[in-house]
Amino acid sequence: AQSVTQLDSHVSVSEGTPVLLRCNYSSSYSPSLFWYVQHPNKGLQLLLKYTSAATLVKGINGFEAEFKKSETSFHLTKPSAHMSDAAEYFCVVSDQGSGYALNFGKGTSLLVTP
Amino acid sequence: EAQVTQNPRYLITVTGKKLTVTCSQNMNHEYMSWYRQDPGLGLRQIYYSMNVEVTDKGDVPEGYKVSRKEKRNFPLILESPSPNQTSLYFCASIPIYTRSGSHEQYFGPGTRLTVT
Repeated sequence: AQSVTQLDSHVSVSEGTPVLLRCNYSSSYSPSLFWYVQHPNKGLQLLLKYTSAATLVKGINGFEAEFKKSETSFHLTKPSAHMSDAAEYFCVVSDQGSGYALNFGKGTSLLVTP
Repeated sequence: EAQVTQNPRYLITVTGKKLTVTCSQNMNHEYMSWYRQDPGLGLRQIYYSMNVEVTDKGDVPEGYKVSRKEKRNFPLILESPSPNQTSLYFCASIPIYTRSGSHEQYFGPGTRLTVT
């Protein structure tokens, strides 16, 4: 069985400071891991994905995430937050045991203050 | 343009009045699925389909039906909607057979349903 835990339901940062959104996962197989972003009243946008290639994954808008198997983590980072980064972020896991179903975390709401 | 479309985008209805939310993809994907999104719960899978005439339950299938008569369409049916089905619904599709081996999910824009 697979599961994903987003460790913070809300994160607040100042504009220009680093962003860290934490995600831990469990999987009985080699997982695929994703981060999605959802801006207010918008749909889901894929930020980045890990599918067993490089452990450091670069995504759009300056975001990146590192797959750490020993820690079962896939934290999302960005060196400098921008006001437009304010949104809901979802960590997602999928593995061969789940077919192609995505298992979503409960989300982290990122607030960026001026 | 490759896309997943959903209709309607917004719907307000009353308890017990049957409704259908349509989902269509133009990428010839084999796999399609429906999710619902609720505050604090993330997205949860309702039903999925591996191909035409092949459907199966996800994590929260109660109160929903689906059909897959054509590869491109995967409608979600609420035969007797109830207020606890008020939610934001997303349809998604995935290519199973790909040269790249990438099984990235493509999401529709969402349908916001309110049942009073």
